[in-house]
This record gives sequence, structure tokens and C-alpha cells, in this order.
Amino acid sequence: GQQLNQSPQSMFIQEGEDVSMNCTSSSIFNTWLWYKQDPGEGPVLLIALYKAGELTSNGRLTAQFGITRKDSFLNISASIPSDVGIYFCAALFGNEKLTFGTGTRLTIIP
Amino acid sequence: DTEVTQTPKHLVMGMTNKKSLKCEQHMGHRAMYWYKQKAKKPPELMFVYSYEKLSINESVPSRFSPECPNSSLLNLHLHALQPEDSALYLCASSQEPLGQGGYTFGSGTRLTVV
Repeated sequence: GQQLNQSPQSMFIQEGEDVSMNCTSSSIFNTWLWYKQDPGEGPVLLIALYKAGELTSNGRLTAQFGITRKDSFLNISASIPSDVGIYFCAALFGNEKLTFGTGTRLTIIP
Repeated sequence: DTEVTQTPKHLVMGMTNKKSLKCEQHMGHRAMYWYKQKAKKPPELMFVYSYEKLSINESVPSRFSPECPNSSLLNLHLHALQPEDSALYLCASSQEPLGQGGYTFGSGTRLTVV
């Protein structure tokens, strides 16, 4: 089946630093989604990408749909304490099921 | 209303109990989903309802029984569960089944089987 390799698995940063994470696959997709999940809560959609090469921002978050349609990245600028959580990429192709990445756990060191 | 509402938020049940999880959305979405999520893992798809009909069952054991009474409601009936079924159960919806739009997730039911 389709797999999304998400990296890094975890990140430990200081407040104010920029963050970058990515997802790669050997399969092509036509939608990439980035979610954030807080402990005990459901994933919340951050950014949705629908076209290869698309670059989309949502406040301090920026995500891009790779030109090959096999990857996507998410950047967070000037991190703040509420950015702590697990970030999942997810992707769709046609009528296939939503495929999730393995997640990136973000921790902010005081 | 742009939310998916799940109840209860927490549930503890014995292995001989029968309980139900409930999910509701009023966004006019035509597809609803049940996911199971274990700690530190991504959500795993269990069931897909498309226009109120079950379209995908990911080989889920029969002790989990989904039901879609109408386009806004989705239930998951639980019976004779095992301790390894303890997990966060997430409901989600999307405008079109398995379509390109983003999925909206509820906040989940934390299930503990004792």
C-alpha cells in the first residue's frame, strides 16, 4: 500500500526558532494535507494543498506541494509554546483512502 | 457549524459491556469515517460511510458495528471488546467520499477496556 515517510520523527527546539518537516512517498498524490494534533484531541487541519508546486501560507505556517507530487513540506516560523504537538501529513490520490504520515512530535524547550 | 462533535469524550467499559460512540456533523458532508488511533501512531481507518451507506470496512472485527441513521449522525456500537481495543476513536467527515477536500475530525472518544 501507499506509505508516507515523515521526518523528523521528533524535534526539540527553543521558542522563536523556525521549524521544518517533510513527507515523502514513492507514490504520487493529488492532495496533501497537514494536520496538528494536541494530546487527547482530534487532528485539526492546518493547510490543504491541491496543485503540484502550490505554496500556501496560514499565518506563521507555510506548506508546499512538491512538483513531483510525491512530497510536501511544512514550515513554522518563530515558534511559540502553543505550537507544541504532533504534526501529521496526509495525502489523497483519486478515490483512494486518506494516507497518513507517521507524525512529527514538536517539543519546545524552555 | 464547522465541527464534528463526538460523545462521550471518555469511556471505560468492561469486556462484557455494550456501549455506543456517537458522532454528529451539520456541515452537509456526504461522507463520514471512523478511525482508531493508538498512542504515538497515526489514525487508522476503520469504516467509511458514503451517502449514508457503508462503503469501506477495513476488515474490522465484528465486535465493532457502525451505523449511520442519517446524513448527520454516525454511531459505533461496541460489544465484547478486548483490552487491546483501548484507543482514541476518531470520527471524521468530508464533503465528498474520499474526495479532495480536507477531512474534518472530531475531538475523539478515549476508550479504555478493562
